[in-house]
Amino acid sequence: AQSVSQHNHHVILSEAASLELGCNYSYGGTVNLFWYVQYPGQHLQLLLKYFSGDPLVKGIKGFEAEFIKSKFSFNLRKPSVQWSDTAEYFCAVNGDTDKLIFGTGTRLQVFP
Amino acid sequence: DTAVSQTPKYLVTQMGNDKSIKCEQNLGHDTMYWYKQDSKKFLKIMFSYNNKELIINETVPNRFSPKSPDKAHLNLHINSLELGDSAVYFCASSRQETSRPGNEQFFGPGTRLTVL
Repeated sequence: AQSVSQHNHHVILSEAASLELGCNYSYGGTVNLFWYVQYPGQHLQLLLKYFSGDPLVKGIKGFEAEFIKSKFSFNLRKPSVQWSDTAEYFCAVNGDTDKLIFGTGTRLQVFP
Repeated sequence: DTAVSQTPKYLVTQMGNDKSIKCEQNLGHDTMYWYKQDSKKFLKIMFSYNNKELIINETVPNRFSPKSPDKAHLNLHINSLELGDSAVYFCASSRQETSRPGNEQFFGPGTRLTVL
């Protein structure tokens, strides 16, 4: 069965610090990978996605993620965070079905 | 223009009542979904419909019944509400199957259901 692990449950950073959020998945076949962001009180928005091709994927708002197949990982990065990046971040995966499997989320707090 | 909309945004009700949440998308998508987000922010899929046909039906109590009158709408009806049903329910839609490139899911604003 597919599963997604996000080991960082709560991350606290100062503005301008670099960010890396971990995401590992469990699935034997071809996967599609996503990072969604949920700002306080809002719905989920897609940050970036990986289907195939270049394993380094660039998304909106300066975020990027790298798919490392050998490590079953899809970590999210941003070189310099801003206060407005404070949100909940969800990694998700699907294989050959429509079912999106989400990780438990990482709460990011950025202090000015 | 709102892409995926849900009503109501907040729903407070007593145990044992029956309630419905409505979802509409104006993106021309063929597939719609319902997710439940619990108090710990964990998101889990409940149902998906493709062109009004049920595709995914996770292990959800049969008190929950989705209804799709047309491909732009997917409503969620809940009978005999229980305390454990309190959560945020998100509707989503995608163009055809999400497994195909370019068909990411777009989420609605959520409905916060509180059962007293």
